[in-house]
Amino acid sequence: DAEITQSPRHKITETGRQVTLACHQTWNHNNMFWYRQDLGHGLRLIHYSYGVQDTNKGEVSDGYSVSRSNTEDLPLTLESAASSQTSVYFCASSDRVGVGYTFGSGTRLTVV
Amino acid sequence: QKEVEQDPGPLSVPEGAIVSLNCTYSNSAFQYFMWYRQYSRKGPELLMYTYSSGNKEDGRFTAQVDKSSKYISLFIRDSQPSDSATYLCAMSARQAGTALIFGKGTTLSVSS
Repeated sequence: DAEITQSPRHKITETGRQVTLACHQTWNHNNMFWYRQDLGHGLRLIHYSYGVQDTNKGEVSDGYSVSRSNTEDLPLTLESAASSQTSVYFCASSDRVGVGYTFGSGTRLTVV
Repeated sequence: QKEVEQDPGPLSVPEGAIVSLNCTYSNSAFQYFMWYRQYSRKGPELLMYTYSSGNKEDGRFTAQVDKSSKYISLFIRDSQPSDSATYLCAMSARQAGTALIFGKGTTLSVSS
């Protein structure tokens, strides 16, 4: 069965370190998204991609970057982790604009 | 004013009650409206999807969209303890290049 997987499920890192969160989907969806979820803020869009080599900034993109070298993967990199980036990160994908997204199970990141 | 407003609750009801969850929005370009359900420590899952105005029913769930008032609702009939979760509204515009914008989510607890 097709799926979208995120790794790791949990990660603790130190301030200033570079961290990469993985997202892999086997739906063959062109569209992929990264959100962060925080109490009181809900889901906020970080970056998104509508195809290979395409990346776009979302609402809260500062301090994050993504690259899309194939259809299946959209890794999210925190260039220099900050305590404000402690959050739960969700990856999602879809095959068309405007339709519902399929979400991964999330990565809980703690920056100490 | 945020593009999508949703009362975070929490909302507590007895089993069998009718539940009404609501969101308001400000962007008149929104055409796609969705409701997601998220259980604790899980990723959001698509519950209902509506295009433009009108009602949609699926079992105990009914989604309503009133574009003239920029207001969407989700009704849950005969609520069950298994409905206890956070419900997030989401919406997007029709044109390419737009991603889903989420409300903050309403936490619902159904007691038996």
